[in-house]
Amino acid sequence: QKEVEQNSGPLSVPEGAIASLNCTYSDRVSQSFFWYRQYSGKSPELIMSIYSNGDKEDGRFTAQLNKASQYVSLLIRDSQPSDSATYLCAVTKTGSARQLTFGSGTQLTVLP
Amino acid sequence: ETGVTQTPRHLVMGMTNKKSLKCEQHLGHNAMYWYKQSAKKPLELMFVYNFKEQTENNSVPSRFSPECPNSSHLFLHLHTLQPEDSALYLCASSQVNSGGGETQYFGPGTRLLVL
Repeated sequence: QKEVEQNSGPLSVPEGAIASLNCTYSDRVSQSFFWYRQYSGKSPELIMSIYSNGDKEDGRFTAQLNKASQYVSLLIRDSQPSDSATYLCAVTKTGSARQLTFGSGTQLTVLP
Repeated sequence: ETGVTQTPRHLVMGMTNKKSLKCEQHLGHNAMYWYKQSAKKPLELMFVYNFKEQTENNSVPSRFSPECPNSSHLFLHLHTLQPEDSALYLCASSQVNSGGGETQYFGPGTRLLVL
């Protein structure tokens, strides 16, 4: 079992729709969770971080964390073509808060 | 993107060459990281430096040698690399705090091709 799993996609949604990106993790005591966006040929940039169960909203983005289910998701409302990118889920590793374990990423395409 | 800079942005080297990648962070952070990103694979953490001390080495081959002279600069020295080492090498930095879970900020990366 991979430590951090994401559907590789590609995920396509029409402009204006809600894009839902999912991530599961295997280490039950993981503490910190991050969503990064990576455009083709660019480096990852942070979108959201979440540490507690529940929802966290920032503009059009909402991160959802359910530690009991070992599940974290990212919702993008009113999707725009500029949101087309690969979205990386990252989790801190037990015993080392500095070690981020990344999923393989989900490629999102927002169709105009 | 200017918070963490990396040079060179692109590098082509032969298997017998020696080269170095440089990373500099302008964010006042005290932890720096090297990651490798290969096509179709997750980002792989290579090295972690916390207050200039190497704290993690994720089973990286000895042909990769990191150096952290101060909290703002990080190098990755390369020698006798293999073609499978071709990848995007990313540097990141963060501000360590007692609670952990700090956000890591990435540089633009060095695209390395080993012939």
